[in-house]
Amino acid sequence: GEDVEQSLFLSVREGDSSVINCTYTDSSSTYLYWYKQEPGAGLQLLTYIFSNMDMKQDQRLTVLLNKKDKHLSLRIADTQTGDSAIYFCAEIYNQGGKLIFGQGTELSVKP
Amino acid sequence: DSGVTQTPKHLITATGQRVTLRCSPRSGDLSVYWYQQSLDQGLQFLIQYYNGEERAKGNILERFSAQQFPDLHSELNLSSLELGDSALYFCASSRRTGAGETQYFGPGTRLLVL
Repeated sequence: GEDVEQSLFLSVREGDSSVINCTYTDSSSTYLYWYKQEPGAGLQLLTYIFSNMDMKQDQRLTVLLNKKDKHLSLRIADTQTGDSAIYFCAEIYNQGGKLIFGQGTELSVKP
Repeated sequence: DSGVTQTPKHLITATGQRVTLRCSPRSGDLSVYWYQQSLDQGLQFLIQYYNGEERAKGNILERFSAQQFPDLHSELNLSSLELGDSALYFCASSRRTGAGETQYFGPGTRLLVL
């Protein structure tokens, strides 16, 4: 089936870490993605992880993948007000080109 | 800037009308994807083209059609527009097609049907 689930809202204080969670259903997904959407803007690719990896770190971003539980998370260290946006996780469906997106998590960073 | 361009940025039209949205992929990308983002449906895949040929189809209505031209730009045609077609339409492109190909998104065309 095609289903990606995310919690809708997350609020953190500036300087704290943010953790955005995602669950997916397609066990054949080979790549999982995180995109960021700022108000009125398009989707910006943040990072991705290949399914044979457990973790990927890219500066302030850490992606953790638990393939057994089909659970993906994005950790943003030292969260800044500029990180306020909607974050989407997405999986590639059935080895093809179609991305299945979650509903998006709105991250609000308070000073 | 992803390198994917979309025109127009905004479009306001009336029910029953027809519009054309245009997308230019990143230089060298052969694959183009169209997605619709609406409040009730979220982000949904519509259709994919690869080097001029339709590759995959998603939840695209029969009133909607797309094509990819020899210069690799793509157009999404929406006809007999309804209020519910109001949404943000994104185009994305990738080098080739398949699971390992990262998709880069354009800024979107915001369509409002009145």
